[in-house]
Amino acid sequence: SQELEQSPQSLIVQEGKNLTINCTSSKTLYGLYWYKQKYGEGLIFLMMLQKGGEEKSHEKITAKLDEKKQQSSLHITASQPSHAGIYLCGADRIETSGTYKYIFGTGTRLKVLA
Amino acid sequence: DAGVTQSPTHLIKTRGQQVTLRCSPKSGHDTVSWYQQALGQGPQFIFQYYEEEERQRGNFPDRFSGHQFPNYSSELNVNALLLGDSALYLCASSELLAGGTYEQYFGPGTRLTVT
Repeated sequence: SQELEQSPQSLIVQEGKNLTINCTSSKTLYGLYWYKQKYGEGLIFLMMLQKGGEEKSHEKITAKLDEKKQQSSLHITASQPSHAGIYLCGADRIETSGTYKYIFGTGTRLKVLA
Repeated sequence: DAGVTQSPTHLIKTRGQQVTLRCSPKSGHDTVSWYQQALGQGPQFIFQYYEEEERQRGNFPDRFSGHQFPNYSSELNVNALLLGDSALYLCASSELLAGGTYEQYFGPGTRLTVT
């Protein structure tokens, strides 16, 4: 099973609609990162969350990290075609052995219909 | 500011050869991370450099090595190339700013094809 699960895998919404993407870990995360990637373009860092219960916003995108630091949601308000792309969550964890690990989620492909 | 730059943009190598990829971080950024992204897959973390030392490492064999220079630029070296090393190699620079804000920028990547 994936260490960092994202849902849904893909999403098609009408322009102007709100949407939420989730990222879930079975283990506590040290830091949670959200990225966006468009085909032919590089990864774009959106935001980083580190504290349980933390919430950050950038333009129409809001990300939250739950209190247990195992789940994060990315919410887009009034979606636009420019929001289309693949959204990835990434996370760093410290394993029980003390080893550092950085992992990416499975990705969510978002399409916004004009 | 040119942001994060990588060179070359793409290259083709033969199995068994060695390759060096280069990355210049965004001005002011002292931390450089490398990622491998196979076609149609998500990125995989290779390692991170800070103050010229490898600070963190992902699950990649020793054939993957790196270096960070005093000007914070970085190189990724891959020895004994395998067909499976064909991928887009992304470099990202980051910095934790005063006030706790985290900033990270990715380069456009180097597409490596191993034949």
